[in-house]
Amino acid sequence: IQMTQSPSSLSASVGDRVTITCRASQGIRDDLGWFQQKPGGAPKRLIYTASNLQSGVPSRFSGSGSGTEFTLTISSLQPEDFATYYCLQHHSYPFTFGPGTKVDIK
Amino acid sequence: QVQLVQSGAEVKKPGASVKVSCKTSGYTFTRFFIHWVRQAPGQGLEWMGWINPSGGRSSSAQTFQGRITMTRDTSTSTVYMELHSLRSEDTAVYYCARDGTFDIWGQGTKVTVSS
Repeated sequence: IQMTQSPSSLSASVGDRVTITCRASQGIRDDLGWFQQKPGGAPKRLIYTASNLQSGVPSRFSGSGSGTEFTLTISSLQPEDFATYYCLQHHSYPFTFGPGTKVDIK
Repeated sequence: QVQLVQSGAEVKKPGASVKVSCKTSGYTFTRFFIHWVRQAPGQGLEWMGWINPSGGRSSSAQTFQGRITMTRDTSTSTVYMELHSLRSEDTAVYYCARDGTFDIWGQGTKVTVSS
């Protein structure tokens, strides 16, 4: 299953609403997670099963979608949110990640 | 708390093997699969394979078949990933992650392959 993400990068300001889209080449139900990775660090899970917020993750992060199209939304971008975001499908093997979306400061 | 702690950085020559460990704690070791993921410098995340700590069965992505060995030690709640016949393209940070939903990650192990 191929995963695509758009955009590949974006520049945004603190307080902006940001939306990242992930598309699967075939239906994956809601078997999708979103991860945040900062330079030099390990990925951190933000969202599981497409729309469930990981414990401890701020509520400005939300996920939606099912089947082949998914979105990650940051309702009000904060300075600590500048990072790269990846989606992952765990519906069938081989698991596959999206290519990533880099969010940087405008 | 749940933790995955990986072994330290490695430098290897082409053709050698590397063995990375992932020591788990804070949960019942045999309840969750462990997955391996790697990230080449400046690149995205690549899924490598999984091991079931209960029984030790494993499976890998086709890219790595024949070159990867995943094992576990139930006495120390540790899983291992060994990659053989290393080439320069295997230079990457290797991560272990818990469960098929990747809820907890290790800190990563940098492997450099260079002559």
